[in-house]
Amino acid sequence: AQSVTQLGSHVSVSEGALVLLRCNYSSSVPPYLFWYVQYPNQGLQLLLKYTSAATLVKGINGFEAEFKKSETSFHLTKPSAHMSDAAEYFCAVSDQTGGFKTIFGAGTRLFVKA
Amino acid sequence: GAGVSQSPSNKVTEKGKDVELRCDPISGHTALYWYRQSLGQGLEFLIYFQGNSAPDKSGLPSDRFSAERTGGSVSTLTIQRTQQEDSAVYLCASLPGTSTDTQYFGPGTRLTVL
Repeated sequence: AQSVTQLGSHVSVSEGALVLLRCNYSSSVPPYLFWYVQYPNQGLQLLLKYTSAATLVKGINGFEAEFKKSETSFHLTKPSAHMSDAAEYFCAVSDQTGGFKTIFGAGTRLFVKA
Repeated sequence: GAGVSQSPSNKVTEKGKDVELRCDPISGHTALYWYRQSLGQGLEFLIYFQGNSAPDKSGLPSDRFSAERTGGSVSTLTIQRTQQEDSAVYLCASLPGTSTDTQYFGPGTRLTVL
């Protein structure tokens, strides 16, 4: 069965610094991978998704993620953090073996310091 | 409708009572998920409806939990004989087709079991 591991339940960066949120997945077949974001007191929304096209995926708000099959990773990055990026970020995986059921990671809360 | 709606937004109940949570998906979306979000626990998959197929109930934590989707649209999650550990935010998401599509989340129902 597919699974997702997000390293670090909390990440803190300074404003303007690089954001790196780690996600590793387990899947025996080509996966579909997603990053969702939950801003304070708001619902979850899609940041970006990988569906077997380009391995570098660009999303909203300057975020991007790179699918690395050899490392089974799909880390989320942003070159320069903004205060408004403070939120909880969830990595998710879906594949055919799970009937395309989507499984979410435990989430990483990003704090941005002024 | 503009998006996924859930009702009630908040529900406080006494231990042992039954509760029903409602999800109205985006019109035309064939797939629907229920998740549970507990503090620090990420999103826990509960159940997945896809069109007319039998739902994937593999995430339901006990037989006290059940869900149905009437007419391929509105879904109801029922929790019987609620326990304090059922306290969480219950999220519903709908999507146009398969799980490779973007999920559109509702605002959630916060359930508190006293």
